[in-house]
Amino acid sequence: AQTVTQSQPEMSVQEAETVTLSCTYDTSESDYYLFWYKQPPSRQMILVIRQEAYKQQNATENRFSVNFQKAAKSFSLKISDSQLGDAAMYFCAYRSADNNNDMRFGAGTRLTVKP
Amino acid sequence: ETGVTQSPTHLIKTRGQQVTLRCSSQSGHNTVSWYQQALGQGPQFIFQYYREEENGRGNFPPRFSGLQFPNYSSELNVNALELDDSALYLCASSLSRAETQYFGPGTRLLVL
Repeated sequence: AQTVTQSQPEMSVQEAETVTLSCTYDTSESDYYLFWYKQPPSRQMILVIRQEAYKQQNATENRFSVNFQKAAKSFSLKISDSQLGDAAMYFCAYRSADNNNDMRFGAGTRLTVKP
Repeated sequence: ETGVTQSPTHLIKTRGQQVTLRCSSQSGHNTVSWYQQALGQGPQFIFQYYREEENGRGNFPPRFSGLQFPNYSSELNVNALELDDSALYLCASSLSRAETQYFGPGTRLLVL
């Protein structure tokens, strides 16, 4: 079964600095999708970024970018120019391209942004 | 365009009772997935509905059941509530089964 591991329960970053959140996953599949979701105290999960496994190019969305290492099964999220509004729980998630109903989440990383 | 909405926002029940949670999918989305998020954990997949049919189920007992309506809104029903059912229940909709899921704000259920 696919598992997602986030080894950093908590991270802290100074405003305007850069922080990287780690995620590793275990799968025997070759085609899948990876996601980072943000969950602020309001509880609503917000999609940050999505990566298709067949794409070698790392996804980027404004200040958010990923480092996708397929062979290493690693999918880290880099947040540049951190803002106070980035403070939240961040979840890494995996979804198979074949069995696309079941999205597996990691345990999350709580990000604190210091002014 | 309206996003995914869920009702109620909070709910308190006692052990053994039954509960129904509701989800309205985003306009144009025909797929709804339900997740349970216990405190301090990541969401766990309960089941998915696609065009009114169940399209996969996670490791949850049969007392967790669901329904999807012709307008693609959905319900999650939980019978014989247990203390461990206390959690945030998240609904997510997508354009289709393989598309990105967009989440609602969740329903916080407390079972006493």
